[in-house]
Amino acid sequence: TQLLEQSPQFLSIQEGENLTVYCNSSSVFSSLQWYRQEPGEGPVLLVTVVTGGEVKKLKRLTFQFGDARKDSSLHITAAQPGDTGLYLCAGPLQGAQKLVFGQGTRLTINP
Amino acid sequence: NAGVMQNPRHLVRRRGQEARLRCSPMKGHSHVYWYRQLPEEGLKFMVYLQKENIIDESGMPKERFSAEFPKEGPSILRIQQVVRGDSAAYFCASSPIIGELFFGEGSRLTVL
Repeated sequence: TQLLEQSPQFLSIQEGENLTVYCNSSSVFSSLQWYRQEPGEGPVLLVTVVTGGEVKKLKRLTFQFGDARKDSSLHITAAQPGDTGLYLCAGPLQGAQKLVFGQGTRLTINP
Repeated sequence: NAGVMQNPRHLVRRRGQEARLRCSPMKGHSHVYWYRQLPEEGLKFMVYLQKENIIDESGMPKERFSAEFPKEGPSILRIQQVVRGDSAAYFCASSPIIGELFFGEGSRLTVL
């Protein structure tokens, strides 16, 4: 069973559209992180959200942490082909010194 | 400031051979993590090490897999007697503190 469930698993949209991807859990996390991974490369950290209800913006990307700290969302405005990649959410496992990852959302932005 | 360095980037082994994957963390980082990624999947935790200590190896298969992070030199992930199911991308990440991870570009193991 997956501690962090990401949806959708695959998303293919046209350039200029908006989209939201989700990261959900039945467990409370002290923080959640979002990474982007491009083919043949390692994941790169985009953002860490720490406070319930927190919203962080990174240019056209908006990250939100749920009030109960069990879920997070990533909204992309006016998607561009450069946004294509695998988006992974991750959180520290309570009582353990490691991050667990969701299975990812594979995003394709078509020109 | 160099990032996390992994080598080799690609490794091909025949069944039964040994695979050694190396990871040099970012300068100043004392925490090293190894993750495995299968095609179209997320990252699965394998092991967390600090210098000369294995802190958490709960994600490591009980047999054939071992990891170390010696006082000097890179962290090594060693897979003995490889099988086809070991084919995957293996990522190393380092961190100055527990939390945000900086990943290398991965080592892609193919077992023939």
